[in-house]
Amino acid sequence: RKEVEQDPGPFNVPEGATVAFNCTYSNSASQSFFWYRQDCRKEPKLLMSVYSSGNEDGRFTAQLNRASQYISLLIRDSKLSDSATYLCVVNTGNQFYFGTGTSLTVIP
Amino acid sequence: ETGVTQTPRHLVMGMTNKKSLKCEQHLGHNAMYWYKQSAKKPLELMFVYNFKEQTENNSVPSRFSPECPNSSHLFLHLHTLQPEDSALYLCASSPGTSGIEADTQYFGPGTRLTVL
Repeated sequence: RKEVEQDPGPFNVPEGATVAFNCTYSNSASQSFFWYRQDCRKEPKLLMSVYSSGNEDGRFTAQLNRASQYISLLIRDSKLSDSATYLCVVNTGNQFYFGTGTSLTVIP
Repeated sequence: ETGVTQTPRHLVMGMTNKKSLKCEQHLGHNAMYWYKQSAKKPLELMFVYNFKEQTENNSVPSRFSPECPNSSHLFLHLHTLQPEDSALYLCASSPGTSGIEADTQYFGPGTRLTVL
């Protein structure tokens, strides 16, 4: 079983839409959780950390459900510049594990 | 952004060549990492160095040889690679390798390697 699983997409949404990505992880002892963004042919960059209480950064909301070992990212009012691959990342304390990423294209 | 730099950005090499990838971080971090990113696959951790000491070798073939002369520099020496080793090789750094110090990794732009 993969450490981190994501729906690879692609997600093609119109500008202004709300889109949600989901991710599951296999190691119940995982300690910290993140969403990274990777633009085409660029390096991954941290988008936001994910906390059990949920956290919001502008149009982005991340949620963690430890009981279900499930992480989500919600993007509201999508912009063209949101087009990228979104990587779910889990730190088990020993190592970072990356999902394969979910591809998002926001269409004018 | 120039926090983590990598050279070269692109590399084409034959299977009998020897080449090296270089990574440098200007963030004052103590931990550095090598990752491999192949198409349609998640990033794969290869090596971890903390305070110049290798703390993780994720079952990487010996044709990949890392070197960490100090906390700011990391090399990946390549020798007799295979075509399936063609990928994007990403370097990253973080303040440390445990707890909150490991929580944020800063990536370099990567070296796109093609093995012929």
